[in-house]
Parts: sequence; structure tokens; C-alpha cells
Amino acid sequence: KAGVTQTPRYLIKTRGQQVTLSCSPISGHRSVSWYQQTPGQGLQFLFEYFSETQRNKGNFPGRFSGRQFSNSRSEMNVSTLELGDSALYLCASGRGLPPSYEQYFGPGTRLTVT
Amino acid sequence: LAKTTQPISMDSYEGQEVNITCSHNNIATNDYITWYQQFPSQGPRFIIQGYKTKVTNEVASLFIPADRKSSTLSLPRVSLSDTAVYYCLVGDPMDSSYKLIFGSGTRLLVRP
Repeated sequence: KAGVTQTPRYLIKTRGQQVTLSCSPISGHRSVSWYQQTPGQGLQFLFEYFSETQRNKGNFPGRFSGRQFSNSRSEMNVSTLELGDSALYLCASGRGLPPSYEQYFGPGTRLTVT
Repeated sequence: LAKTTQPISMDSYEGQEVNITCSHNNIATNDYITWYQQFPSQGPRFIIQGYKTKVTNEVASLFIPADRKSSTLSLPRVSLSDTAVYYCLVGDPMDSSYKLIFGSGTRLLVRP
């Protein structure tokens, strides 16, 4: 079974630009969550989508948004990039319904903002 | 979600058993305890999850005392490849607002 895939793996952007990251979950998984990981803040939850609806949201500004498509693939967008947005962005998928507890993480997209 | 407290780092040697303890004094009745492992530049990987007493799988064991205010992840006979950061998380996976809140984790270094 193929794992979670994320594209692109690496990205360099300039301040003020916007970026879109993509995540393809494991087949059959309906939940997709996004996380930001930085050395200073660690792993922080961004949001979760389930069946095309945002189910949970972390404490990030409105510049961070996402969506999920009918095939469960998800995208996250960051507008007006800031230097502090440089991070590893991780996507995780799961069945999203009890009794499933596990989330499966992708390799991440390394975003560098200059 | 209940806040968790773990040691910042631990050292061990190959072949030893490693026990990482996590404190979660405010754990709620329906909360489960979950452990993830993360290698550098990779996403976390689910290790084990439990509610009470003891859970064992092919990778690790999880010990949870009766009061559930702490839990211990036990890694038998560690190898160099077990060097990673280990996260303890507490939450109710049956709750629709369930999400993974990662703390600082425990950096485990396994030496030859």
C-alpha cells in the first residue's frame, strides 16, 4: 500500500509570495492533517480535513489555509510568506473515524523563505 | 488535551532496554496515550497506543498504572537505529476534535 506522498519535497520562495503544498493520503483514508515543524516551536498542528470539510484548526493566522478534494487529496496554501514560515510541513492521513487512532505521516515539504 | 511531560533526552547503549516515562496528570477519562517516533527530516511514526494496564506490539510495550497519570514506553534491546525523538501524546481519539498535540519529546541517543 503506498504511503502518504507530499509534493514538492523542497521549495524556496521569497517573502511576500504565496505557496501551495500538496498531499496525497493513503488510499481509503479520509482524514488529512497538516503540521508545521520548526526547530524553535517543534511540531504544531495546522488543520485537519475530513470528507472535504475542515474539522479542526490550530492557532495559525489566516494566511494559512487548506482544502480537501473529493478524492481526499489535500492542499495547503500560505499567502504573503514571511521568513518565519520557513519550516518542514508535514501531512498525515488517517481513517478519521473510531476506532482508528493512527495517523500516517508523509515525508514533508521543506519550505525555505528568503 | 492533557499536557504531557517527558525527559528532554536519554542515552543508552545497544542491546539495553530503554524506558521512557511520560507524565500526564490531567488525563481525562476517555483519553488514550499514544507514542510516536520521529527520525530527522521525517514525519513521525506511530509506535503504540493504550488506555490502561499494558499493551505490547512487535516494536514496544506500553505500561500504564491504574491512576493513568503517567505511562512508560519500553523499547527492548535497542539498536543504533532507535536513535530518534519519541513523543507522548494524550487525547480522546473518539472525539471529533481530536488532534495530535506534540510536546518537546524525548531525544533518545543509542550508543554502540
